[in-house]
Amino acid sequence: DAGITQSPRHKVTETGTPVTLRCHQTENHRYMYWYRQDPGHGLRLIHYSYGVKDTDKGEVSDGYSVSRSKTEDFLLTLESATSSQTSVYFCAISGGTDKETQYFGPGTRLLVL
Amino acid sequence: TQLLEQSPQFLSIQEGENLTVYCNSSSVFSSLQWYRQEPGEGPVLLVTVVTGGEVKKLKRLTFQFGDARKDSSLHITAAQPGDTGLYLCAGPISGGSYIPTFGRGTSLIVHP
Repeated sequence: DAGITQSPRHKVTETGTPVTLRCHQTENHRYMYWYRQDPGHGLRLIHYSYGVKDTDKGEVSDGYSVSRSKTEDFLLTLESATSSQTSVYFCAISGGTDKETQYFGPGTRLLVL
Repeated sequence: TQLLEQSPQFLSIQEGENLTVYCNSSSVFSSLQWYRQEPGEGPVLLVTVVTGGEVKKLKRLTFQFGDARKDSSLHITAAQPGDTGLYLCAGPISGGSYIPTFGRGTSLIVHP
C-alpha cells in the first residue's frame, strides 16, 4: 500500500471556523490531490499540486485553499467552514512513470454544524 | 455533464452470480483505471488499461477497454460477499490534462 496518511480522520466543527486537513506521503510522489466525496456527486477535485509550492484549482475550489511547502505534505484549509462543506475528504498522490494512476489516503470525515 | 457514465448505479445480487459494470464516455481516454472502495476507506486501484481492445484479468474480475478507448467494462464471475463495494472508473482524457476524470461509481452488494 502507498504510504499516505490523513489527519485528522474525523472532525466536527462549527460554521465559520477555519479548518486545516493534512495529507502526508512517504512515497516521494510529485503530484498530490484533494477530493471531496458526496452522495450523488462522486469524487470531485478541489485542488491539486504538481510540485512544492505549485498548486492549481480543481472543479470545486471555492472556499478552499491549499499549501505545499514540502514534497511530503499537502494541506487543505477551509477558510470559514460552511455546512455545505460537510463531506468526506480524500487525499491522493501520483507520480513516477504512471502519473495518471492515483493512490488514495483513508479519508477525513468532516462535519460542519 | 458527467464525462464518464457508469451503469448500473446500484447492484444487489446473490453470491455466485455473475455481473458486468459499464463505464462509458463520448470522449477518448489515454488510459482507464478501475478502483474499488470499501465503506470508510479510500479507493484502491484494481487495474489500469491502456490499449484499445485490451483485456486484463484479476482472479474473477475481467476488465476490458473498448477498441476506441471510449468505454470499459468490468465483469465479475461468481461474485462473493468480499466483492461488495463501490466500483469507480477514472481516466485522463486523451490530449488533455493528466488528471483523471472519475465516474460516479457502481455500488455493489453481494449477499451470502
